[in-house]
Amino acid sequence: DAGVIQSPRHEVTEMGQEVTLRCKPISGHNSLFWYRQTMMRGLELLIYFNNNVPIDDSGMPEDRFSAKMPNASFSTLKIQPSEPRDSAVYFCASSRQADSYNEQFFGPGTRLTVL
Amino acid sequence: AQKITQTQPGMFVQEKEAVTLDCTYDTSDPSYGLFWYKQPSSGEMIFLIYQGSYDQQNATEGRYSLNFQKARKSANLVISASQLGDSAMYFCAMREGQGGGFKTIFGAGTRLFVKA
Repeated sequence: DAGVIQSPRHEVTEMGQEVTLRCKPISGHNSLFWYRQTMMRGLELLIYFNNNVPIDDSGMPEDRFSAKMPNASFSTLKIQPSEPRDSAVYFCASSRQADSYNEQFFGPGTRLTVL
Repeated sequence: AQKITQTQPGMFVQEKEAVTLDCTYDTSDPSYGLFWYKQPSSGEMIFLIYQGSYDQQNATEGRYSLNFQKARKSANLVISASQLGDSAMYFCAMREGQGGGFKTIFGAGTRLFVKA
């Protein structure tokens, strides 16, 4: 079975540019999560979806960040405009259900560098 | 308030020895799950083991076991017979139930070094 797929794996962009990160969850999983990992702040939950509906976006740092899940097999995280402090590894994860019993499976991550 | 605490930034263990990685948590939700993940230098996050708040027995998965002490709110990971490939960052995580909005919170991690 294919795991969680993320693209691109690496992204280098200049400050002010729009960045779009993509994620394909594991087939049959109903919940999708976006995380950001930095040395300073560790692993932070940005937003999660259940059945394509955003449930909690309280971790989204500011209005420059937006996430969508148009269907069960695809999600995007967009940063517009990007800033150097957005440089991080962004992980997408999915789980069967958004409950406390199901583990999350992580994608390989997208390493974003904003110059 | 810190909900997941991993007090050991780094740990060393001799190959073939057992090692315990500490994790304490804080929640008022009676329903929650505790997870451990491994992050090797390559960067991916690998799920290792899960313990539910209502589980009566400690979880085990191969060489991994979880020492769950509910009253102390601790969920320590025990790795038996350490291997060189176990050198990695280890994260403890908690997902609360309905009351917590099913959010997953990760600890700061413990970096494990296995010595030959």
